[in-house]
Amino acid sequence: DAGVTQSPTHLIKTRGQQVTLRCSPKSGHDTVSWYQQALGQGPQFIFQYYEEEERQRGNFPDRFSGHQFPNYSSELNVNALLLGDSALYLCASSLAAGDGEKLFFGSGTQLSVL
Amino acid sequence: GESVGLHLPTLSVQEGDNSIINCAYSNSASDYFIWYKQESGKGPQFIIDIRSNMDKRQGQRVTVLLNKTVKHLSLQIAATQPGDSAVYFCAENNNAGNMLTFGGGTRLMVKP
Repeated sequence: DAGVTQSPTHLIKTRGQQVTLRCSPKSGHDTVSWYQQALGQGPQFIFQYYEEEERQRGNFPDRFSGHQFPNYSSELNVNALLLGDSALYLCASSLAAGDGEKLFFGSGTQLSVL
Repeated sequence: GESVGLHLPTLSVQEGDNSIINCAYSNSASDYFIWYKQESGKGPQFIIDIRSNMDKRQGQRVTVLLNKTVKHLSLQIAATQPGDSAVYFCAENNNAGNMLTFGGGTRLMVKP
């Protein structure tokens, strides 16, 4: 049973560029959440996707957008990258019904913006 | 806004001793709490959870205690092992879906 998988594992971009990160949820899960984790801090909620729609959003600008596909996989897009966007981006999956609060995280994508 | 926080940023314990990691929360409406373990280069790993209608829950070598009166959460690890060395986060559910609010984390270091 595969867990949450993310790609790529590491990425280097320059300011102003755009980036797309990808996530496949744990088998059987239908909900995907994205978190940003700056160095030495706890993860911060970006947004959550369920049934291919954004269900909840944290305090992040519109430069951060996402998408969920019919197979429940998801993408996180960040436009006009800033140095401060350098962080570990974590994807977490869960099941909307039942014990939905229990999130399972991937290993993340380490994004460096130069 | 309200958030989850931790008392100690770093905890160093001797192998075999018990560890206690503390967490304070300020949102009295929170009804679900989770402890995660994060090792270097990995994502947070679920350890144990507790709902607000309980004050104690036990897992394998771990126990979570919830004191709603003082809004305090703790994680106890029995017979701490070198493999327990990691950063531990508490997180609360915001009652508006599956969004979790994380604290800043406590680094647990186990001395052999």
